[in-house]
Amino acid sequence: GENVEQHPSTLSVQEGDSAVIKCTYSDSASNYFPWYKQELGKRPQLIIDIRSNVGEKKDQRIAVTLNKTAKHFSLHITETQPEDSAVYFCAATNTRGQGNLIFGKGTKLSVKP
Amino acid sequence: NAGVMQNPRHLVRRRGQEARLRCSPMKGHSHVYWYRQLPEEGLKFMVYLQKENIIDESGMPKERFSAEFPKEGPSILRIQQVVRGDSAAYFCASSPQGRTNEKLFFGSGTQLSVL
Repeated sequence: GENVEQHPSTLSVQEGDSAVIKCTYSDSASNYFPWYKQELGKRPQLIIDIRSNVGEKKDQRIAVTLNKTAKHFSLHITETQPEDSAVYFCAATNTRGQGNLIFGKGTKLSVKP
Repeated sequence: NAGVMQNPRHLVRRRGQEARLRCSPMKGHSHVYWYRQLPEEGLKFMVYLQKENIIDESGMPKERFSAEFPKEGPSILRIQQVVRGDSAAYFCASSPQGRTNEKLFFGSGTQLSVL
């Protein structure tokens, strides 16, 4: 079946540093790539998404890049803050599965003050 | 707009009992997706429904699990004769039109614990 790989599984950075999380996907027809942030015991919240017709999107301290040739996309968080600490999930559309999302296994980001 | 509403937030069942999880999508959304999350794991797709129709149930176990989304009322995920391995967080998400590049909005989830 289709798959999304996410790395690293854990990431620890100092406050103010940048954090980068990378994902690869297998469904070459995927056209939508969202990123979700999940705090402990809470719902996954959409923080940024990108569609296949663009290569980069930025929203304040968060940016996402997409390389369709390599089937690779990344989340970049600059000037990290302690409140950025959470688990981050990437996802890609499963075009063979009527459009549901396939999620990576998550990256636990810890931002140390 | 109250967002996607799930209840109960926590559900405790003994082995062999039935579990019913409810999900009301966001206002104006007619497409519902159920996902299961095990500890330290990502979200695994289970089933995708539109009002009165199951569109894709490829991620849902064939036995003991069923889902519905009636014309009136919330979507229901039903697990019969629960076993310890069913313990997980079950999240529901909704979207307006079910297109492949549409945003999904998640509910707060139901934490199912099977004793």
